[in-house]
Amino acid sequence: AQSVTQPDIHITVSEGASLELRCNYSYGATPYLFWYVQSPGQGLQLLLKYFSGDTLVQGIKGFEAEFKRSQSSFNLRKPSVHWSDAAEYFCAVGGSSGDKLTFGTGTRLAVRP
Amino acid sequence: GAVVSQHPSWVICKSGTSVKIECRSLDFQATTMFWYRQFPKQSLMLMATSNEGSKATYEQGVEKDKFLINHASLTLSTLTVTSAHPEDSSFYICSASRLAGADTQYFGPGTRLTVL
Repeated sequence: AQSVTQPDIHITVSEGASLELRCNYSYGATPYLFWYVQSPGQGLQLLLKYFSGDTLVQGIKGFEAEFKRSQSSFNLRKPSVHWSDAAEYFCAVGGSSGDKLTFGTGTRLAVRP
Repeated sequence: GAVVSQHPSWVICKSGTSVKIECRSLDFQATTMFWYRQFPKQSLMLMATSNEGSKATYEQGVEKDKFLINHASLTLSTLTVTSAHPEDSSFYICSASRLAGADTQYFGPGTRLTVL
């Protein structure tokens, strides 16, 4: 069965500091990986996705993520966090066989001014 | 592109009544739509997957007679919560993808349901 682990429930960083949100997955074949962001009371917005090819994926709002098959990880990074980045971040895994998406439990990001 | 809307954004109803939530893909045709439920400060729980023109596939533990899903066109899916009870109060989110099977899901803004 596929699963996603986001080990950090809550992270606080200072504005302008760098950010890395961790995501580890378990999947029996080549995974499709996603990062979504959710602001309070809102739906999810796709930040970036990995299907194949270059393992370093660029997304919107200055985010990037790197797929590391050997570590079963897909960590999300941003070099300089803005106050507007405060939100909940979800990592998700699916597959080419049409598997449904499985979401991690989310990481809540707070940004200190 | 890939905008998904939901209506209403919030609804309050009395126990025992039914509530319909609409999910629309505004600028693309959605072969597959998904319905999720999200409890406060928790992740999304997939309730069902629906493909246009066919019956929805429900996840284990989700009552299909209570949560009626219709996907009548390539741009519209509806979720009807029948005989709602306070325990059905939750945040319901739909998503849509262009293709069946593995594809990017685009999410709606969610509907907050409160059952009194």
